[in-house]
Amino acid sequence: AQTVTQSQPEMSVQEAETVTLSCTYDTSESNYYLFWYKQPPSRQMILVIRQEAYKQQNATENRFSVNFQKAAKSFSLKISDSQLGDTAMYFCAFMKRGGADGLTFGKGTHLIIQP
Amino acid sequence: ETGVTQSPTHLIKTRGQQVTLRCSSQSGHNTVSWYQQALGQGPQFIFQYYREEENGRGNFPPRFSGLQFPNYSSELNVNALELDDSALYLCASSFTMGQGNNEQFFGPGTRLTVL
Repeated sequence: AQTVTQSQPEMSVQEAETVTLSCTYDTSESNYYLFWYKQPPSRQMILVIRQEAYKQQNATENRFSVNFQKAAKSFSLKISDSQLGDTAMYFCAFMKRGGADGLTFGKGTHLIIQP
Repeated sequence: ETGVTQSPTHLIKTRGQQVTLRCSSQSGHNTVSWYQQALGQGPQFIFQYYREEENGRGNFPPRFSGLQFPNYSSELNVNALELDDSALYLCASSFTMGQGNNEQFFGPGTRLTVL
């Protein structure tokens, strides 16, 4: 079974600052995907960024980038130039290749962007 | 392109009753996964449906059951409701072809309260 750990229950930064959210995972699988999802107060779970484990290059999506360390089983999310609209719960998630076992989520980090 | 929709938005039931939640998958998707998100926690995988059959299941008792219809929409049924079943129920759709990437797109959820 897989486990995903997010050790920061809550983080708060000023608008325009850079923030990094931590995530570690444990698995015996070799083929898998890692995700960061954002859940604002509206409850809709929105995909932020995705990383395929077989790719060494770190994924980036505009202001969002990841630091994927496969050997250390670490998958952190960096948000640059943070905006008020980034305020939300952020969940790190793991999925085996094929996806029939669904996503395994961490407990989440509540990110607050202060004006 | 139509996104994932869920109904109803909110639901209140009493202990021992039965409930049915509904989900329409995103256009072009053929797989539906269901998750339970307790307050302050990350979502937990209940099960997944593909080709109208249960394709994978998490650690949930048999009183949690589901259906998938030919149009790929899905239902989640919970019998003999317990107080701990109070949660946000999320549906996610994806496209499955072989062992390809199954990125999941989420609906807005159904908030179930059991009294």
